[in-house]
Amino acid sequence: DAGVTQSPTHLIKTRGQQVTLRCSPKSGHDTVSWYQQALGQGPQFIFQYYEEEERQRGNFPDRFSGHQFPNYSSELNVNALLLGDSALYLCASSFDGTASLKSGYTFGSGTRLTVV
Amino acid sequence: KQEVTQIPAALSVPEGENLVLNCSFTDSAIYNLQWFRQDPGKGLTSLLLIQSSQREQTSGRLNASLDKSSGRSTLYIAASQPGDSATYLCAVYAANQAGTALIFGKGTTLSVSS
Repeated sequence: DAGVTQSPTHLIKTRGQQVTLRCSPKSGHDTVSWYQQALGQGPQFIFQYYEEEERQRGNFPDRFSGHQFPNYSSELNVNALLLGDSALYLCASSFDGTASLKSGYTFGSGTRLTVV
Repeated sequence: KQEVTQIPAALSVPEGENLVLNCSFTDSAIYNLQWFRQDPGKGLTSLLLIQSSQREQTSGRLNASLDKSSGRSTLYIAASQPGDSATYLCAVYAANQAGTALIFGKGTTLSVSS
C-alpha cells in the first residue's frame, strides 16, 4: 500500500521563477494538505484541498496556489519565488469523513526547495 | 489562536535512558493530538495519535499521554536507543483562523549516544 508520494525530492530555482510541486495521496485518502517547513521550525499550514477545491488556507500570500485533480492528487504552485520560500514542502493526506478525525494525517517525504 | 510549544528544544541522553518529551497547547478545544518523528531532511512519520476523548496511547517503547484540560501531552520513550535520534514533533488538530488544521510545535531534537 503506497503512502504519500511527492515529487521532485529536491529542486533549485532562481528568484522570480515559478515552481510546481506534486503529491499523490495515500490510497483511500481524498483530502490533501500542504505544509511549509523552514529550517529549525515546525511545519506551517499552507492550504487544504478537498473535492478539487481549496477548502481552507493558512497565512500565505496569493503567490501560493494549488490544484486537486479528480484522482485526488494535488499540485502546489509558487510564483515569483523569493529567497524566503526556501524550505521543505510537505504534503499530507487524510480521509475526510466521520473517520477522518480518528485516522490522522499521513505525510510524504517532502520536496526540498532551494531558491538562489 | 492555538499555539503549540515543545520543551525542551533539544535533549542529549546516553543509550538506555528513559525520557519524557513535553508538549503544551493553549486551547483545549482540540479534536486529536498526533506525535511525529522526523529524521534530518526527511518527511514526518506518525508515531501515535490520541483522540480528544482518550488519555493515552502506547506503541512498543513509546507511550503518549493527553491531558486536554491542562493543555498538555507527554511522549515517554523507554530504554532509548541511538536509532531514536531524531526530531519529535507534536501537533494538534484544532480550529484556527483558517478552519481546522494540524498545528505544530517546533519540535524536540533528541540525540541518543551509544
